[in-house]
Amino acid sequence: DGGITQSPKYLFRKEGQNVTLSCEQNLNHDAMYWYRQDPGQGLRLIYYSQIVNDFQKGDIAEGYSVSREKKESFPLTVTSAQKNPTAFYLCASSTTGGPYEQYFGPGTRLTVT
Amino acid sequence: QQQVKQSPQSLIVQKGGISIINCAYENTAFDYFPWYQQFPGKGPALLIAIRPDVSEKKEGRFTISFNKSAKQFSLHIMDSQPGDSATYFCAASSNTGKLIFGQGTTLQVKP
Repeated sequence: DGGITQSPKYLFRKEGQNVTLSCEQNLNHDAMYWYRQDPGQGLRLIYYSQIVNDFQKGDIAEGYSVSREKKESFPLTVTSAQKNPTAFYLCASSTTGGPYEQYFGPGTRLTVT
Repeated sequence: QQQVKQSPQSLIVQKGGISIINCAYENTAFDYFPWYQQFPGKGPALLIAIRPDVSEKKEGRFTISFNKSAKQFSLHIMDSQPGDSATYFCAASSNTGKLIFGQGTTLQVKP
């Protein structure tokens, strides 16, 4: 069953703690993306990676970090420096040769109190 | 110039009616325009997409109309059904592969 998995579905953390969100894909896609979605808003790009061991900041990278050590995996760490981390986080993947159809995982809802 | 503006923010349609959602962009380098459907608590799912070399693309009850000169594109849902009630996002991409998303439209189809 090909697709993107994100775990866990719900995550609760105390303020000041770092937390890592998992994203795995078995679509053999080179590119992977992390988005943040807030209620009533569109998707905002946090980080993206087009190849293993390389990644670029998106529009709202401050307070987040990523790694891309394997093609299948692109974990996102929400650090204590992120001022408003409570949100719905979505991971996506795509090919890099166009037409850049991005396929999304089911998302992780992070609540920080 | 990187923005994609989507309207309306919310839409209520009667069952069997036509739902129309509009998007506009400025960046003429955009060459791929997908629409995504998202149900509450789920990830967005690719619904239909168009490239600027065609003016219309139809898949079942879903049609994208594209006006390159006006830099606008729209999603039409024919014979709207209660199961179509969801949030719809338009997006645009250039050869960078990065998608720029509209703000979303929440569609409610009343039975």
